[in-house]
Amino acid sequence: DAGVTQSPTHLIKTRGQHVTLRCSPISGHKSVSWYQQVLGQGPQFIFQYYEKEERGRGNFPDRFSARQFPNYSSELNVNALLLGDSALYLCASSLMAGNIQYFGAGTRLSVL
Amino acid sequence: EDKVVQSPLSLVVHEGDTVTLNCSYEVTNFRSLLWYKQEKKAPTFLFMLTSSGIEKKSGRLSSILDKKELSSILNITATQTGDSAIYLCAVEASSGGGADGLTFGKGTHLIIQP
Repeated sequence: DAGVTQSPTHLIKTRGQHVTLRCSPISGHKSVSWYQQVLGQGPQFIFQYYEKEERGRGNFPDRFSARQFPNYSSELNVNALLLGDSALYLCASSLMAGNIQYFGAGTRLSVL
Repeated sequence: EDKVVQSPLSLVVHEGDTVTLNCSYEVTNFRSLLWYKQEKKAPTFLFMLTSSGIEKKSGRLSSILDKKELSSILNITATQTGDSAIYLCAVEASSGGGADGLTFGKGTHLIIQP
């Protein structure tokens, strides 16, 4: 069975641009969470979605938004990119909110 | 604010040694503690410990949750070069219907020398 898949794997943007990252959960999983991992740090929680509804939000500005589709895949959008948004963005899926989260390989975003 | 602290931040040992990684936490409404191994990008799940399951073992890896001391350890015996990775500790808390996600520590960077 396929694990969590994320696209693209790498992305280079310039300051002020907008970016969309995509995530497909493990088949049968209904919850998707997004994390930002800056070099040398542990992942930091951004959003959690369950059954297409936002269940939780971390301490990130409104420039960050997300949604979950009827097939349980998800998108993370970041507007008005800043240099500090450069990071590895990880998506994790679980059967439902509160279960073990399984991670994808992430999208490496570089903002120049 | 929920907090997870891991120690040491880095560790270099020789193949065959036994290592112990530490994780302490301060969270409101603790639900579970998880250990992940991160080699390149994707953290891979190792263990989940809860109030009803405080000890887990898989092969050379084992983990214990100390509910009184609010901490956990991850033990790796007979280490191999393939154990070289960053080991992440994360805690999940429940917050009245909402979801706070996992709170991670900074990780322990473990290097196994041949």
